Amino acid sequence: DAGVIQSPRHEVTEMGQEVTLRCKPISGHDYLFWYRQTMMRGLELLIYFNNNVPIDDSGMPEDRFSAKMPNASFSTLKIQPSEPRDSAVYFCASSSRTGVGGYTFGSGTRLTVV
Amino acid sequence: SQQGEEDPQALSIQEGENATMNCSYKTSINNLQWYRQNSGRGLVHLILIRSNEREKHSGRLRVTLDTSKKSSSLLITASRAADTASYFCATGGYNKLIFGAGTRLAVHP
Repeated sequence: DAGVIQSPRHEVTEMGQEVTLRCKPISGHDYLFWYRQTMMRGLELLIYFNNNVPIDDSGMPEDRFSAKMPNASFSTLKIQPSEPRDSAVYFCASSSRTGVGGYTFGSGTRLTVV
Repeated sequence: SQQGEEDPQALSIQEGENATMNCSYKTSINNLQWYRQNSGRGLVHLILIRSNEREKHSGRLRVTLDTSKKSSSLLITASRAADTASYFCATGGYNKLIFGAGTRLAVHP
């Protein structure tokens, strides 16, 4: 398996624009997580899905953020409109119900909003 | 909010020395996990220790867990320059893992 795949690796956008981050989890993993990492706040859990259903989105900072998982192999995190304070590294991770192997993280998307 | 807090925030050692990082957490747990993050990369799972275990080994890694003190430690023996990374503890299980702030480890040749 190629691991968790995220795209793009880097995204630079202007304030007010829509940003869409993409994630392909590991096949067979039934949990998918979106995290955000900043120097100030560390790693924050934004939302997670189980079997494609959003379970807990309490970490989503504002209504400008939305996430979908239309099928078991694809998820998106959208920010509309984007703001400079959204600049961060966004990670997608997946895991299985057993959790024995921990979470598998993607390489992240570094978002810069100017 | 962060469940685990690592100590120290940063650690600088020479190759061959041992590195010890500590993690404290607030609520009861089923297990605790340690992850490594190299600069510019995603986190990599290192080891999981269950609440009924006191010590676990994996290669040069040794993890201990003291549930009475709500603390864990990660020991890296005979460190190498390639061990330079940030190390995070995490609690919460398979469905909602919460990470600490991490320890930045620098291993100098």
